[in-house]
Amino acid sequence: AQSVTQLGSHVSVSEGALVLLRCNYSSSVPPYLFWYVQYPNQGLQLLLKYTSAATLVKGINGFEAEFKKSETSFHLTKPSAHMSDAAEYFCAVSDRLNDMRFGAGTRLTVKP
Amino acid sequence: AAGVIQSPRHLIKEKRETATLKCYPIPRHDTVYWYQQGPGQDPQFLISFYEKMQSDKGSIPDRFSAQQFSDYHSELNMSSLELGDSALYFCASSNSRTGGPYGYTFGSGTRLTVV
Repeated sequence: AQSVTQLGSHVSVSEGALVLLRCNYSSSVPPYLFWYVQYPNQGLQLLLKYTSAATLVKGINGFEAEFKKSETSFHLTKPSAHMSDAAEYFCAVSDRLNDMRFGAGTRLTVKP
Repeated sequence: AAGVIQSPRHLIKEKRETATLKCYPIPRHDTVYWYQQGPGQDPQFLISFYEKMQSDKGSIPDRFSAQQFSDYHSELNMSSLELGDSALYFCASSNSRTGGPYGYTFGSGTRLTVV
């Protein structure tokens, strides 16, 4: 069965600093990997997805993630944090059409 | 563009009552998924339906049941509600031919509070 582990339940960065949210996956078959963002009291919004094409995936709002098979990782980065990036971020994995599994989430705080 | 519609947005029920949550997928999406997100928790997969048939089952309690109708909308029925059922319930939809590997589209969720 597939699973993801997000390292760090809380990450705090200063506005303008690099954002790095870590995600490691476990899957018995080549995975599909996703990052979702959730703002307070809102639904999950897809940031980006890896579907076995390019290993460096660019998403919305300046975020990107790199699939590294050797490290079983799919870390999310953004060069310069903005106050509006403060939210909960979920990494997710799916190895078939159904049954997406989420990580525990990382709450990103952006300090002025 | 049309999104996944969930109703109601908020629901307050007493213990041992029943609740019905509804989900209307994006047009031409044939697969619906239900997730439960407790306070401060990650979304947990409950159940999914493809073409009106249950396609996968996760950590859904026996007190809950769900179905998908001919118009592809889905309902999650919850009986004998417990305080621990208080959570945000998300529905997501996808098109089986294009959606699986490309992520689901989530609704805004129904916040259920059991008192």
